Amino acid sequence: NAGVTQTPKFQVLKTGQSMTLQCAQDMNHEYMSWYRQDPGMGLRLIHYSVGAGITDQGEVPNGYNVSRSTTEDFPLRLLSAAPSQTSVYFCAARRDRGSDTQYFGPGTRLTVL
Amino acid sequence: KQEVTQIPAALSVPEGENLVLNCSFTDSAIYNLQWFRQDPGKGLTSLLLIQSSQREQTSGRLNASLDKSSGRSTLYIAASQPGDSATYLCAAADTGRRALTFGSGTRLQVQP
Repeated sequence: NAGVTQTPKFQVLKTGQSMTLQCAQDMNHEYMSWYRQDPGMGLRLIHYSVGAGITDQGEVPNGYNVSRSTTEDFPLRLLSAAPSQTSVYFCAARRDRGSDTQYFGPGTRLTVL
Repeated sequence: KQEVTQIPAALSVPEGENLVLNCSFTDSAIYNLQWFRQDPGKGLTSLLLIQSSQREQTSGRLNASLDKSSGRSTLYIAASQPGDSATYLCAAADTGRRALTFGSGTRLQVQP
């Protein structure tokens, strides 16, 4: 049982490039979410999903797209990277009913030049 | 909009000391309050979760309390150890259970 996995661990992009941050979970949890963590600030919610085919915006969704075609995977897409998107990105999963315990992935450190 | 504040931002204590980390939130309409631990370069690990109807939760040397009316939660760590050195984050869940609002964390250093 790997929990929540994220790839890649590190990534450097140039302004304007696109990429997808991968997130997968093997716990069959319905709810998944993406957060970004910037120095001196708490984590901020980007997008979340309550199940396959259902996604919604969080506090800072601009510049990011998500989709949820399966329960296991919740990729985050940057269509045209900007330096302001330099951050550490965390994916999390939890049950939508029952326990509210959140399980976080190890994070992806993204630098946009 | 919910705002979560954690004081102090950093704390250094000698091993064996009991300590309290503070968390305050502006909107008392929360579903639960959660405490996480984050080690450098790692993800977050859930420590304690207090439902809005509860007053406290305990796990080993950790005890978290919640006072919704005053918008405060505290994390008490008993008999601190060097292995407790990490950043501790609190987060308030909205009543729709869709979002966590995080504080910026308290970085704890326990000196051997």
